Amino acid sequence: DAKTTQPNSMESNEEEPVHLPCNHSTISGTDYIHWYRQLPSQGPEYVIHGLTSNVNNRMASLAIAEDRKSSTLILHRATLRDAAVYYCILGISSGSARQLTFGSGTQLTVLP
Amino acid sequence: DAMVIQNPRYQVTQFGKPVTLSCSQTLNHNVMYWYQQKSSQAPKLLFHYYDKDFNNEADTPDNFQSRRPNTSFCFLDIRSPGLGDAAMYLCATSRGVRDSPVGEQFFGPGTRLTVL
Repeated sequence: DAKTTQPNSMESNEEEPVHLPCNHSTISGTDYIHWYRQLPSQGPEYVIHGLTSNVNNRMASLAIAEDRKSSTLILHRATLRDAAVYYCILGISSGSARQLTFGSGTQLTVLP
Repeated sequence: DAMVIQNPRYQVTQFGKPVTLSCSQTLNHNVMYWYQQKSSQAPKLLFHYYDKDFNNEADTPDNFQSRRPNTSFCFLDIRSPGLGDAAMYLCATSRGVRDSPVGEQFFGPGTRLTVL
């Protein structure tokens, strides 16, 4: 399985940008890069995804390296509600479904 | 609001006593997934259904079974729960890759299973 590597934990101050890195050196050409986050006592929720180009949505931005072997999730202004475990995942096509293999994730702490 | 619903949120069972967890969705998605998440670990995929086609992960124990009687409902059956099966069980749904190449998954809130 294609795997991702993330720092175990990161801290940020409230209202400041956060850059969450992810390495995925074994990514293949058809693998999408997904980011999900899991708030305490909740199921994971989708944040953003990308294939080759950088992406922006209302929650975050995703910067993808030119060789696609790494990516960075950017939260432009962290809030206390952004404290969560952030998972960088390669979405593997499994027949008719897209299979997610979660890595260990990054625990983001946001300091007031 | 369209959503993924899991019942119950908390389930207590006894060692060896069969238990069933349920999941329903109003999203009309083709694919339904079951994940196991143990304390301080990442979710681990157990199996998924594409419509009625069942796909089991290679390392999912035989003790875990699943049923999907229709598009909206999916059940996780644990035939003989052991202490090691205590975990959060997460249900998720997505459209199939033919309709959505990305396959964004929508998760329910989970059922926390305690085995006594």
